Amino acid sequence: DTGVSQDPRHKITKRGQNVTFRCDPISEHNRLYWYRQTLGQGPEFLTYFQNEAQLEKSRLLSDRFSAERPKGSFSTLEIQRTEQGDSAMYLCASSFLTQEETQYFGPGTRLLVL
Amino acid sequence: LAKTTQPISMDSYEGQEVNITCSHNNIATNDYITWYQQFPSQGPRFIIQGYKTKVTNEVASLFIPADRKSSTLSLPRVSLSDTAVYYCLVGEDTGRRALTFGSGTRLQVQP
Repeated sequence: DTGVSQDPRHKITKRGQNVTFRCDPISEHNRLYWYRQTLGQGPEFLTYFQNEAQLEKSRLLSDRFSAERPKGSFSTLEIQRTEQGDSAMYLCASSFLTQEETQYFGPGTRLLVL
Repeated sequence: LAKTTQPISMDSYEGQEVNITCSHNNIATNDYITWYQQFPSQGPRFIIQGYKTKVTNEVASLFIPADRKSSTLSLPRVSLSDTAVYYCLVGEDTGRRALTFGSGTRLQVQP
């Protein structure tokens, strides 16, 4: 296993379109996290899963944001009706259940909304 | 959640030792101190974690004084490839299992 992977690496879309990002975590990891990072800032937590259960989603930025992890393996993050303010790097991370402070991050998906 | 304060930026030259200090005055008894490194256009990477005294691994050393109100990440003999943003994190976002990142310290290593 080579680590956390994310697809696509870059996405350019027009305002109002829907976008979906995929994350494949390290296979042994139970926990999967989504973060957003804007220029010059550290990553900002959005949501996390333990296996297939989404245990925290109150930090999702609006109801346009949703995430799934249907089989407890890969996860998707969808943004509906994108806005220019959604332009950012979207990062996925995974960890073992008992090692939440040691998270392994993917390379991120950079979104640009025109 | 303990708030952390670290310098916005630092400059160094190749071969020098770099020490980045992080203040966390209200650290809780159960909190660990964790440092992450982030290169441009990449996700953060775990570097080192400690609770007290000194921790050393193949990448860095972490010095934590007895009162644990600060910590120092030490990078020995930096190279150009150590140019990155370094984040100090303390504890976790209790109940949310999330890492809380500040703005980090931008380290620029010159030749």
